Amino acid sequence: AQSVAQPEDQVNVAEGNPLTVKCTYSVSGNPYLFWYVQYPNRGLQFLLKYITGDNLVKGSYGFEAEFNKSQTSFHLKKPSALVSDSALYFCAVRPGGYQKVTFGTGTKLQVIP
Amino acid sequence: DADVTQTPRNRITKTGKRIMLECSQTKGHDRMYWYRQDPGLGLRLIYYSFDVKDINKGEISDGYSVSRQAQAKFSLSLESAIPNQTALYFCATGGAGADTQYFGPGTRLTVL
Repeated sequence: AQSVAQPEDQVNVAEGNPLTVKCTYSVSGNPYLFWYVQYPNRGLQFLLKYITGDNLVKGSYGFEAEFNKSQTSFHLKKPSALVSDSALYFCAVRPGGYQKVTFGTGTKLQVIP
Repeated sequence: DADVTQTPRNRITKTGKRIMLECSQTKGHDRMYWYRQDPGLGLRLIYYSFDVKDINKGEISDGYSVSRQAQAKFSLSLESAIPNQTALYFCATGGAGADTQYFGPGTRLTVL
């Protein structure tokens, strides 16, 4: 069975500093990996995805994520955090060829002015 | 107008009542999903549908039922609501072969 782990319930970072939100996964075969963001009182919004190809994936709002097959990780990164990046971030995985996506428990990102 | 809409946005009901949550989409997607979100548990899949004649149970379908009335409409019912069904419910859509899901704004349901 597929699974996703987001080991940190909350990440605090100062505005202007780089941020990392961690995600590890377990899946049979080649994974499709996603990051979504949820702002207060809103639904989830797609940020970026890895299907195949370059391990570094660039997405919306200056975010990027690095796929590391040997460590089964897909950490979300941004070089310089903004206060407006404060939100709940979800990692998700889907095995290739199947349609059910499994979401992680979410990480709350707090960017401190 | 939003691509994925959910009604109602908020609902307070009592134990034992029947509740229906509705979802409509204008994205033309075949695939629709219902999730619930609970603090610390993330999103869990309740039901999903890959087309009008296809309905599948997710990981937590007990106590819920769904109806796919049309390509654009997917409703979730709680036949007899109980307090532990208090949660935030999201509908999502996805096109055939597409990987990205598009979420509605959510329905906050409270069962007293």
